[in-house]
Amino acid sequence: EVQLVESGGALVQPGGSLRLSCAASGFTFSDHYMDWVRQAPGEELEWVGRSKHKAERYTTEYAASVRGRFTISRDESRNSLNLQMDSLNSEDTAVYFCVRASGGPNTPFDSWGQGTLVTVSS
Amino acid sequence: DIQMTQSPSTLSASVGDRVTITCRASQSIGRWLAWHQQKPGNAPKLLIYLASILQTGVPSRFSGSGSGTEFTLTISNLQPEDFATYFCQQSHSYPLTFGGRTRVEIK
Repeated sequence: EVQLVESGGALVQPGGSLRLSCAASGFTFSDHYMDWVRQAPGEELEWVGRSKHKAERYTTEYAASVRGRFTISRDESRNSLNLQMDSLNSEDTAVYFCVRASGGPNTPFDSWGQGTLVTVSS
Repeated sequence: DIQMTQSPSTLSASVGDRVTITCRASQSIGRWLAWHQQKPGNAPKLLIYLASILQTGVPSRFSGSGSGTEFTLTISNLQPEDFATYFCQQSHSYPLTFGGRTRVEIK
């Protein structure tokens, strides 16, 4: 069974940093694109960024709103997807979901984690 | 960016009804569209991908159609467990984008 479990959500001050992790299990982690998607309170879902699969050397893509501030990485040894968030502001307040794409390019999100809440506030 | 416009935002229906949700893309996305369901407190769940292919384990009362810029999700014979929020997602190009949500509520 595919499982994605996020952790690391917290209250952080504007300008601060936070690192989210997603523990993946039940599938071959290296074979799948993995994404972060967020949902601010009362807002629509927003794609944050992606780590492509191992065949594409885990290269990344980012939404314009986070590019240069957020970094996605993988720890193969732990089957973990990470999201390093720097220079946080109030607009980054959201539930962050770790999401698996069913394969490579253009494939849909076929598994979602439960999400972890990030609150940016002084 | 490809904008996904979903309608209606709320839909009131009764058990046994047939309901339809529409998602429009601001430019052609071929068939690179998926539909997801989300219930309060739960992770979203993939229902349909490539516009019309039912994900394994999803009941056949769910169906999808469309291509290019206009897509629909239809739920036939609405069941109590179908009262939830639905959203579309395009995987044609970056940034990946979502439609606004449609909440299906009990009439």
